[in-house]
Amino acid sequence: FMLTQPHSVSESPGKTITISCTRSSGSIANNYVQWYQQRPGSAPTTVIYEDNKRPSGVPDRFSGSIDGFNSASLTITGLKTEDEADYYCHSYDSGIWVFGGGTKLTVL
Amino acid sequence: QVQLVQSGAEVKKPGASVRVSCKASGYTFTSFYIHWVRQAPGQGLEWMGRINPDSGVTNYPQKFQGRVAVTRDTSISTAFLDLSRLRPDDTAVYYCAREEYVNFDYWGQGSLVTVSS
Repeated sequence: FMLTQPHSVSESPGKTITISCTRSSGSIANNYVQWYQQRPGSAPTTVIYEDNKRPSGVPDRFSGSIDGFNSASLTITGLKTEDEADYYCHSYDSGIWVFGGGTKLTVL
Repeated sequence: QVQLVQSGAEVKKPGASVRVSCKASGYTFTSFYIHWVRQAPGQGLEWMGRINPDSGVTNYPQKFQGRVAVTRDTSISTAFLDLSRLRPDDTAVYYCAREEYVNFDYWGQGSLVTVSS
């Protein structure tokens, strides 16, 4: 299966954005979705795991959900310039793991 | 604290093989899967495989079967990625990551592999 994300999203500080992640086959609800943030030159870090859980240290401005079109979403409210990064969704099925293609978030 | 420390950068010629290591510390190595993920320059993340360090059982995506091998040495808490028959499009940063249930909660610093004649 594949996970499809928009290539890029841009918004102003203080606003809200949502990044979608659509699963091509099989139900997205059957396997947990994670979201990773990656800043240039650094390894990814988790911002959401198991669909909607936040690791300690991740602000509650970040939230995850499973939607009705075989998609997952990452929502970031009150955008800050430090949120500018690439975001990847991530899931698995039958021992195989897949990343979405990534979404570049620009906060301008 | 949990750490995954990877081996250094490598430059290889097409057709050669490369081994990247990932040394774990700060936790019981055999209790968590280790995955390998690569990222070509300017591109996204690509999953390459995983190992259960306790049993040694591995999983690979079809794309890499036959060319990738993930192994481990529990005596030194280290996982290895072997990639053979290298091509220029294998040039990438290679990461190891620990899986806690479904989440990749800790990542290595990345190892750059450059394939060039």
